[in-house]
Amino acid sequence: DAGVIQSPRHEVTEMGQEVTLRCKPISGHDYLFWYRQTMMRGLELLIYFNNNVPIDDSGMPEDRFSAKMPNASFSTLKIQPSEPRDSAVYFCASSLRTALLKQYFGPGTRLTVT
Amino acid sequence: GENVEQHPSTLSVQEGDSAVIKCTYSDSASNYFPWYKQELGKGPQLIIDIRSNVGEKKDQRIAVTLNKTAKHFSLHITETQPEDSAVYFCAGQAAGNKLTFGGGTRVLVKP
Repeated sequence: DAGVIQSPRHEVTEMGQEVTLRCKPISGHDYLFWYRQTMMRGLELLIYFNNNVPIDDSGMPEDRFSAKMPNASFSTLKIQPSEPRDSAVYFCASSLRTALLKQYFGPGTRLTVT
Repeated sequence: GENVEQHPSTLSVQEGDSAVIKCTYSDSASNYFPWYKQELGKGPQLIIDIRSNVGEKKDQRIAVTLNKTAKHFSLHITETQPEDSAVYFCAGQAAGNKLTFGGGTRVLVKP
């Protein structure tokens, strides 16, 4: 299996612009997670989905952040409008229903907002 | 909710020596504790995990121990090699089937 795929790997954008991060989970996995990693706050869970349905979005920092999962093989995390403090590495992870907490991470998207 | 503390934040060891990373957790209801290894420019990768009904688990050169009474667990790497250099994260199961991660330990293995 190719593992979790994320795109783009790097994104540089100006403050105020819309940013869309993409994720393809491992085929057959039921759960998908979006994390954010920063030096100050470490690895934080933003939102997770089960069978394409958002289950817990309590970690989403603001209304500027939104996530969708239109089908079992694709999810997006959108930031609109972006701000410099959104600069971080964003990871997508997926897991099986039978091993929910055994999560497999993608390579991440490094976002820089200037 | 669950709070996971990890120590030390950095660890430098000589190749061939052992490395030990310790984590404490706050929620006595937590029963799953994974360890992840993150290499530069990559995502965290699960290397070993332990459930609360087990006190110790080994996989070749790595082992994890769990003390439920004291609410702490540790990662042990024996016979360290340069490729063990990375950032290691512990995690604990939080409410709602979520993981709470420790702050990470940067391990440097000196040849």
